This record gives sequence, structure tokens and C-alpha cells, in this order.
Amino acid sequence: DAKTTQPTSMDCAEGRAANLPCNHSTISGNEYVYWYRQIHSQGPQYIIHGLKNNETNEMASLIITEDRKSSTLILPHATLRDTAVYYCIVSLQTGANNLFFGTGTRLTVIP
Amino acid sequence: SAVISQKPSRDICQRGTSLTIQCQVDSQVTMMFWYRQQPGQSLTLIATANQGSEATYESGFVIDKFPISRPNLTFSTLTVSNMSPEDSSIYLCSVTGTTSEYPRNYGYTFGSGTRLTVV
Repeated sequence: DAKTTQPTSMDCAEGRAANLPCNHSTISGNEYVYWYRQIHSQGPQYIIHGLKNNETNEMASLIITEDRKSSTLILPHATLRDTAVYYCIVSLQTGANNLFFGTGTRLTVIP
Repeated sequence: SAVISQKPSRDICQRGTSLTIQCQVDSQVTMMFWYRQQPGQSLTLIATANQGSEATYESGFVIDKFPISRPNLTFSTLTVSNMSPEDSSIYLCSVTGTTSEYPRNYGYTFGSGTRLTVV
């Protein structure tokens, strides 16, 4: 599995968009980019994943660069409940692969 | 996606004893995994629980210390054996999509974890 690099921490004002970057320069052609978050004292929660195209769901948007070497998770209107550690993970979407977690980005939403 | 019930949610145990953690899923799933999260750290994969056969352990984890069972497609246990204070961590069960969804996964689902303190 390709490795990912994320900033250790970020702050975002409540109501503003939170943009969380992730570098995955060694990603292979059949690997997906997954985003999870872990709110304190809870298990990780799936947010979104994508291969090449930008993706959007009710939680967030995922922007993947054309060369697929980096991506950005966007929380369009951050709330205090979005304060969490966000993990960017690269993995094959075969259903037979485990997920390897890096250190993630600790996002703090400020009132 | 699957719903996971993980028990116990927390426990305080004496060193030298063992604790078995249960992971029950509300539907049949293809894969089940066990992770450990030490205080202030990220998640580390312990092993993949294989139905009806021995688990596949990651480097640094051994069956004698972390025996795992998976008798069917909805249930697995992780035992932390001969515990020491260094085993104090959160242990998490994770599953892939249900067999009806496979191979299209919408993400891996995690249990809420078992917070273990060894004294």
C-alpha cells in the first residue's frame, strides 16, 4: 500500500470550509484514496473514497489531482462536531485488504 | 453498511490475566480485522480474522499473545493474553462490506472499541 503524508494539525473557523490535504505520490493505478475520521473515544468513521474523479457525498467532497499524487478532503461548512483526527489512506478496493493508518491530521474547529 | 457490536466497551484488568473481546456483526461480512490503538497513537493492524482457519498476523503480533477466533461470517473474538501494563490500549474490530455488497465496498466499518487498562 502506498504511504500518505498529512499535516499534523489544522484549525478551522466554525462555518467555514475545512480543506485537508494529503500527499500520496507513490499511489498505484488501481489504488483508491479513502478518508476516515476518528472523533475522540470513538472508532474511525468512513467519510468518502475515490479513484480518479472528484467525489461528493452528504459529508464531504474529495478532490483528487489529475496525476493522483495528492488529494484534498473538503468539509464545506465545518461544525464543532467535525473536530477529529482525519486519516487519508490509500488501498486497493478489493474487499480483501486491510487499512494501514498513518498519523492523520488533527482538525480543530474553533467557535 | 454493517453494524458492529463490540464488547466489553472497557475493562480494567490485573496483569498476568487474559481478556477476550467480542465483535458481533449484524450481517455476514467478507473480512474482519483487529486493530490496536495505543494512547495518543494511530491505529495498528494486529491481524486479519479468517473464518474457520488461523488468523493472519502482522509483524510484531503473535498468536500466543493475541489468539483470534472467527467461527462464522458474523462473529470474531480477540484475546489479549498474559497482560502487562504495555497492553493498555483501545482494541478495535473492523469489517468490510457485507457479502451482499461485495466486491463493491463503501468503506470499512469500525466498532466503537474496547478500552483496556492493565494495572
